[in-house]
Amino acid sequence: NAGVTQTPKFRVLKTGQSMTLLCAQDMNHEYMYWYRQDPGMGLRLIHYSVGEGTTAKGEVPDGYNVSRLKKQNFLLGLESAAPSQTSVYFCASSYPPGGLFNEQFFGPGTRLTVL
Amino acid sequence: GQSLEQPSEVTAVEGAIVQINCTYQTSGFYGLSWYQQHDGGAPTFLSYNALDGLEETGRFSSFLSRSDSYGYLLLQELQMKDSASYFCAVRDHRDDKIIFGKGTRLHILP
Repeated sequence: NAGVTQTPKFRVLKTGQSMTLLCAQDMNHEYMYWYRQDPGMGLRLIHYSVGEGTTAKGEVPDGYNVSRLKKQNFLLGLESAAPSQTSVYFCASSYPPGGLFNEQFFGPGTRLTVL
Repeated sequence: GQSLEQPSEVTAVEGAIVQINCTYQTSGFYGLSWYQQHDGGAPTFLSYNALDGLEETGRFSSFLSRSDSYGYLLLQELQMKDSASYFCAVRDHRDDKIIFGKGTRLHILP
């Protein structure tokens, strides 16, 4: 099993360009999340999904859109990139909470630089 | 809303014991988790507490007091490889959001 994978690993954009980050998981998890991590700020939740076809806003959703058309994939889109979106982006997945299933599994991250 | 507070840095000596505290504010508390992250890596799960008390997993233990909105991660027999950042996180049962603290960087001295 590959676990959680993210594509691409690195990307450099110019201000105003658009791009999509892809997250894929092969653990049949219902829940998927997108976080951004900046120095000294920890992990901040951007958007999340509790099932195929559903998405919800996290702490810092502005400037991002997401889609969960298939259970195994969660896409994060930047329509018009800004330098403030320079960050490391992590995707995570998990089972619904309860019992023993409370672990989030993280992908390796995507390092995005916006010039 | 939700918020978590944890120290930004902690320093300890190899072989010693260190405790990393976390206090939280949330209206719909479901559970407190701890994650470890090495530089350049992804966070990895360490422990989860939903009920008051101590959970032990090898050298790592995690404690929760729901009445005090407080938890801690205890690392025993510290090894150099434990040098990393440690994050506490809470889940809100009302909307299933998981919010992370800003992390505690653990420095281990030989």
